[in-house]
Amino acid sequence: TQLLEQSPQFLSIQEGENLTVYCNSSSVFSSLQWYRQEPGEGPVLLVTVVTGGEVKKLKRLTFQFGDARKDSSLHITAAQPGDTGLYLCAGGISRGKLIFGQGTELSVKP
Amino acid sequence: EAQVTQNPRYLITVTGKKLTVTCSQNMNHEYMSWYRQDPGLGLRQIYYSMNVEVTDKGDVPEGYKVSRKEKRNFPLILESPSPNQTSLYFCASSQRAGRAYEQYFGPGTRLTVT
Repeated sequence: TQLLEQSPQFLSIQEGENLTVYCNSSSVFSSLQWYRQEPGEGPVLLVTVVTGGEVKKLKRLTFQFGDARKDSSLHITAAQPGDTGLYLCAGGISRGKLIFGQGTELSVKP
Repeated sequence: EAQVTQNPRYLITVTGKKLTVTCSQNMNHEYMSWYRQDPGLGLRQIYYSMNVEVTDKGDVPEGYKVSRKEKRNFPLILESPSPNQTSLYFCASSQRAGRAYEQYFGPGTRLTVT
């Protein structure tokens, strides 16, 4: 069974702090996606990375795909209360098949 | 507006009573998928469909059926629901972007089986 381990599972920080969320696996992925989910809603895609070593930035969010395409990280600079939510990573295994990490619940306090 | 719709949003049922959760998308996507979300387990893929009449099992297909007779619709069928199928269900559709399938999720269906 292929697994995608996401850490930490819970993170509570103050506004203005930086944080990093990790997704790790022993499997190689064709792509890695990050989603954000708010209570009562479905996940919303933030970014897709497909090339080993790829770095993408979305305002204060920086996403990196590991060189071997087995791991990824999400770094948030100067977190704000609006960043609060559940962050999910998802790895593409084969055509159409995805596995998700367990999620990181982020709470940013004003 | 581009969207994925699911019905019903909330459902309480009893063990063994067949039910169907509908999913529809208006983006002309070929790929659709069903997931269940449980605390501490993230989302787990139940079934996915690459196109009309083409479906494949995900990681947790036991106890579920799907059909894809039309491009826009992908219903999830529970022939004989059991309490361990109590969960939050999401339908998603996707367009292919290179090697990736970027998913657009519906709002979710919260199912309780007593």
